[in-house]
Amino acid sequence: DADVTQTPRNRITKTGKRIMLECSQTKGHDRMYWYRQDPGLGLRLIYYSFDVKDINKGEISDGYSVSRQAQAKFSLSLESAIPNQTALYFCATSAGDLETGELFFGEGSRLTVL
Amino acid sequence: GQNIDQPTEMTATEGAIVQINCTYQTSGFNGLFWYQQHAGEAPTFLSYNVLDGLEEKGRFSSFLSRSKGYSYLLLKELQMKDSASYLCAVRDSNYQLIWGAGTKLIIKP
Repeated sequence: DADVTQTPRNRITKTGKRIMLECSQTKGHDRMYWYRQDPGLGLRLIYYSFDVKDINKGEISDGYSVSRQAQAKFSLSLESAIPNQTALYFCATSAGDLETGELFFGEGSRLTVL
Repeated sequence: GQNIDQPTEMTATEGAIVQINCTYQTSGFNGLFWYQQHAGEAPTFLSYNVLDGLEEKGRFSSFLSRSKGYSYLLLKELQMKDSASYLCAVRDSNYQLIWGAGTKLIIKP
């Protein structure tokens, strides 16, 4: 089983709908992240959380919200989806700064907004 | 602004050696990462450099020159399974990762 699991893996929705992408991890890491990936662009950070009570905006947080329900769970919501939110979304985890801080990614959630 | 540059696409032959370059301009530096990403899959960690010099790990090596804002990933004895995108990322002074757009490596028989 994957250490970082994302659901759903694929989703097609319509403009204006509310969408939630869920992420759970068994790595025991405190730090969790949501990224989006678009063709020709680098990964862009949407939100990140260093522990259950810590939520931080990333580079492109507008139009998104998150919830850290537990150490192992971090969900991303699109309150009213729009077509330019069509992208591949990745959840990732990392250990603390004392280690290299390498990221462990989920398998991705491909979202299409029509 | 912060910027990571790497070639969009490279082609190499099975069994050969290829070098993928990455140049960066960031607000501070706290390490450089290389990740491999096969099409439609998650990125996976390849290497980490924080000091100048070469880090070798099997067929893959990564080099860093902080004074030049430059790194490269060297892949030896190329195999067809090495066909993937290679992502360069720099951790800045705020410990945030800045990502390049990735280099798509095509391996031909």
